[in-house]
Amino acid sequence: DTGVSQDPRHKITKRGQNVTFRCDPISEHNRLYWYRQTLGQGPEFLTYFQNEAQLEKSRLLSDRFSAERPKGSFSTLEIQRTEQGDSAMYLCASSFQPGQGPLVYGYTFGSGTRLTVV
Amino acid sequence: QKEVEQDPGPLSVPEGAIVSLNCTYSNSAFQYFMWYRQYSRKGPELLMYTYSSGNKEDGRFTAQVDKSSKYISLFIRDSQPSDSATYLCAMSEEASGTYKYIFGTGTRLKVLA
Repeated sequence: DTGVSQDPRHKITKRGQNVTFRCDPISEHNRLYWYRQTLGQGPEFLTYFQNEAQLEKSRLLSDRFSAERPKGSFSTLEIQRTEQGDSAMYLCASSFQPGQGPLVYGYTFGSGTRLTVV
Repeated sequence: QKEVEQDPGPLSVPEGAIVSLNCTYSNSAFQYFMWYRQYSRKGPELLMYTYSSGNKEDGRFTAQVDKSSKYISLFIRDSQPSDSATYLCAMSEEASGTYKYIFGTGTRLKVLA
């Protein structure tokens, strides 16, 4: 297992275009998270899946953003009608949490997808 | 006021020095505390995890949590040039249905050879 994989590593797109990012978590991890990080800032929570269920979405996730995790495996994050303000590093992380309850272990992050909207 | 405050640095120290990195926070419900290291253009890497108050040591790293002061610290002993990175603190609440971590802005550390 090589950890959390994200694809592509870099994406340059024109304003108004749609983009889709993929995340492959560590195979036995049941929780998957998307964060966004802009330059000089810490990561900000976007959304979270437990298995295939999307359980929480941040206010940052406007209706132009959609995330899926079919069959509880890989996840995709789509941004429609991209804006320059969407330029950021999009980080995926996964974790294993047996049963219910709060997250008590740290995440394993991928290397991120750097999006530039021109 | 941000929920988590962290001095962005940069903090420059000579090789072998003891480094102290700190975060303050305002949400008394935070119970889980993490420190991550992030190299340029890479994802954050988990260094230390602490639940509630107290100290935790792992090799050259020591994490401290003082909930009464809403203050957490990460100490790095015998710092090396390879420790040069951005250090992020992250915190999460007790069981409230919230599963996300709130990150600080990160402190950029430079260890000079």
